[in-house]
Amino acid sequence: GAVVSQHPSRVICKSGTSVKIECRSLDFQATTMFWYRQFPKQSLMLMATSNEGSKATYEQGVEKDKFLINHASLTLSTLTVTSAHPEDSSFYICSARNAGGGTGELFFGEGSRLTVL
Amino acid sequence: QKEVEQNSGPLSVPEGAIASLNCTYSDRVSQSFFWYRQYSGKSPELIMSIYSNGDKEDGRFTAQLNKASQYVSLLIRDSQPSDSATYLCAVMTVPAGTALIFGKGTTLSVSS
Repeated sequence: GAVVSQHPSRVICKSGTSVKIECRSLDFQATTMFWYRQFPKQSLMLMATSNEGSKATYEQGVEKDKFLINHASLTLSTLTVTSAHPEDSSFYICSARNAGGGTGELFFGEGSRLTVL
Repeated sequence: QKEVEQNSGPLSVPEGAIASLNCTYSDRVSQSFFWYRQYSGKSPELIMSIYSNGDKEDGRFTAQLNKASQYVSLLIRDSQPSDSATYLCAVMTVPAGTALIFGKGTTLSVSS
């Protein structure tokens, strides 16, 4: 199946700092990528839709100035958590759909576990 | 608000038994349905997709869809301890190409 790579897999940072997470589609082009967040024992909650060459679309309740998304190419989207706080500690997962075909399923990156001290 | 509902479990079955996982969705125009498996601390991996009413079989897994009842299920035959995980039901609604909406997941435990 299609491969989506996410980096870093784990990151620990101090409160107030910013953290960047990268998401790459390795063997297909993705005009759209999706960023999810998952708290312990919770389901995946969609944060935003990342669109190549345009602004991201954020879900209700997600602060666009705090969670900066850049989708500069057809294979790379980045999520930057700015001025991170302990409540931002979570499992962040990106996903992508093959723009060239497929049947709608999303392929997920390995996830990035963020811990804010 | 579009919702996907699952029984959180845990669902416990003995090795070799059939595990039955259920999911209902609220948006009647939903058109694509997926089952993902998620091990603790890992990201989800696709198990099955189904798009039309009826059954779809893939190895030990069978997905069943009933759009009239807004219901989708996953059957796992000959359950193995390695099947122990959280199973997430996901739905894609119109327009096509939007993100998937996930249920909270059902935790399955298969005892040997």
